[in-house]
Amino acid sequence: GAGVSQTPSNKVTEKGKYVELRCDPISGHTALYWYRQSLGQGPEFLIYFQGTGAADDSGLPNDRFFAVRPEGSVSTLKIQRTERGDSAVYLCASSLTFGNTIYFGEGSWLTVV
Amino acid sequence: GIQVEQSPPDLILQEGANSTLRCNFSDSVNNLQWFHQNPWGQLINLFYIPSGTKQNGRLSATTVATERYSLLYISSSQTTDSGVYFCAVETGTASKLTFGTGTRLQVTL
Repeated sequence: GAGVSQTPSNKVTEKGKYVELRCDPISGHTALYWYRQSLGQGPEFLIYFQGTGAADDSGLPNDRFFAVRPEGSVSTLKIQRTERGDSAVYLCASSLTFGNTIYFGEGSWLTVV
Repeated sequence: GIQVEQSPPDLILQEGANSTLRCNFSDSVNNLQWFHQNPWGQLINLFYIPSGTKQNGRLSATTVATERYSLLYISSSQTTDSGVYFCAVETGTASKLTFGTGTRLQVTL
């Protein structure tokens, strides 16, 4: 596609439920990143994929968070047993390779009630 | 980890004015990018500038890597320039961009 596409754009879920957020990067981009942004703050790194493998998952806050990119293109961020503190905008980005210009999607706004 | 500080934190300009935004970072970097986050939340990449100077229309940026700072210049500001400006850096020891604290810009008529 022309840009990074994220779905859903908005998600409201109840505390304790499971959530999946999807990211479709720019075609041909091998590097894919997930960031999380809380109100009034800058984006915070969660995980980086180079191809199919998670090259750096040091930003995942705990084991309730998991992400996959099975075919080296689309990625899914999975959050188990959601908590109210997980409410944020989840941003996906991609770049041609690691270290190049990075392009962000519009984000998935997650609200846990 | 690396610290990235931006100044000023908030800026109000009248349309047509010029401004300089600053980004200071605490360690050597391999990669530095400037972003504009519009009022709808979309992050737009403005510059990939680990060193040197680049210009794109009314915007230009300069990074002095040896002195650990970067500047973003906005000339003849327009209301559409409003939003938050972030710089983000990547060091050789971490495969991630670390974002700065941001500068919130409001351009008024």
